[in-house]
Amino acid sequence: EAGVAQSPRYKIIEKRQSVAFWCNPISGHATLYWYQQILGQGPKLLIQFQNNGVVDDSQLPKDRFSAERLKGVDSTLKIQPAKLEDSAVYLCASSRQGPGNEQFFGPGTRLTVL
Amino acid sequence: GQNIDQPTEMTATEGAIVQINCTYQTSGFNGLFWYQQHAGEAPTFLSYNVLDGLEEKGRFSSFLSRSKGYSYLLLKELQMKDSASYLCAGYNNAGNMLTFGGGTRLMVKP
Repeated sequence: EAGVAQSPRYKIIEKRQSVAFWCNPISGHATLYWYQQILGQGPKLLIQFQNNGVVDDSQLPKDRFSAERLKGVDSTLKIQPAKLEDSAVYLCASSRQGPGNEQFFGPGTRLTVL
Repeated sequence: GQNIDQPTEMTATEGAIVQINCTYQTSGFNGLFWYQQHAGEAPTFLSYNVLDGLEEKGRFSSFLSRSKGYSYLLLKELQMKDSASYLCAGYNNAGNMLTFGGGTRLMVKP
């Protein structure tokens, strides 16, 4: 089966600019996650969707970050405006619905904010 | 939430055995995942423990003690390709959420 797809793979922007990332999960996976991974650290959950509803967004900086999953499949994560500290890899993952299911990760988008 | 603690770095020799420890807070805990992440790549699943005990999968084994809030990943017959970061992640059943530790960077030397 095809894996989790993400684009772009790399993005360089200047601070205060906007950026958007796209994710296409594995077919049939109801749950979709966006993580932020700063260099040398573990992934930090930003937002979790169950179908097209938000399950948890407690760690999403809502003043600048937004995410949506309109049809319960693809998702976009947006940062507006970007700050230097947003430089990180943004990972999308998906899993089947239910407890303890393995999360499959996409290749990530490496964002550099100058 | 859960605090996940694991060593930052470890070094081992090719062919040897290495144990990577992970401790976590037990509040809300309902299982523990281990992921492997090579530099510049996405994490890939290694194991999931929900019951106490050791689960063996080839050269890799994972152990869990729920009462002690403790897990370890055991890698046998180390190979150079095992050089990677190993991420311990606590699973919270309320919402199907993972909380990751900072990862342990393992360097395998000849």
